[in-house]
Amino acid sequence: QVQLAESGGGVVQPGRSLRLSCAASGFTLRSRGMHWVRQAPGKGLEWVSVISSDGRNKFYVDSVKGRFTISRDNSKNTLYLQMNSLGAEDTAMYYCVQESIWVFDHWGRGTLVTVSS
Amino acid sequence: SYELTQPPSVSVSPGQTARITCSGDALPKKYTYWLQRKSGQAPVVVIYEDSKRPSGIPERFSGSSSGTMATLTISGAQVEDEGDYYCYSTDSSGNPVFGGGTKLTVL
Repeated sequence: QVQLAESGGGVVQPGRSLRLSCAASGFTLRSRGMHWVRQAPGKGLEWVSVISSDGRNKFYVDSVKGRFTISRDNSKNTLYLQMNSLGAEDTAMYYCVQESIWVFDHWGRGTLVTVSS
Repeated sequence: SYELTQPPSVSVSPGQTARITCSGDALPKKYTYWLQRKSGQAPVVVIYEDSKRPSGIPERFSGSSSGTMATLTISGAQVEDEGDYYCYSTDSSGNPVFGGGTKLTVL
């Protein structure tokens, strides 16, 4: 049974950093593309980043390029999102999502990031 | 940046047909996917590649795409179908883009 558990969210001041984690079970991260998707309060879903199954390709939405870095630790079967230079616009619930040929078929429960002074 | 446009809300009575649209300039060349999100639950893909229905999704859910518009149709909508529906596709770089979401009310 596939399970994804995000952690690492919290309240952070503007300009600071935060690292989100997503512990995967029931499958190996190496076998699937993995994404981060966020939802700001009262807003819709926004795709943030993807890492390909082989780990070679990483892509980001324009608004986070140069600030966010997606990575994974295969030994821990854990996905990460390093977020730097955070701003109020990054306040959102962040979800890690397993993808299979563009079908977002498993989602975590999310971790809330609040950027506020 | 590429955008997908959905109506903010759709409302139908139980048993009626609900149609949710998603428009985008690249849809003639790209697949559309539909996510259902019920309150407090993880999103579920109800349609993939324009019109395919995953196993376990009721037959009343169907999808179509023509030109720059994709449509999710729920034939005989039920109260349990209430929730937010998001279309998504990919942009010219091959990255996912979500529509703004449509709140479906069945009452």
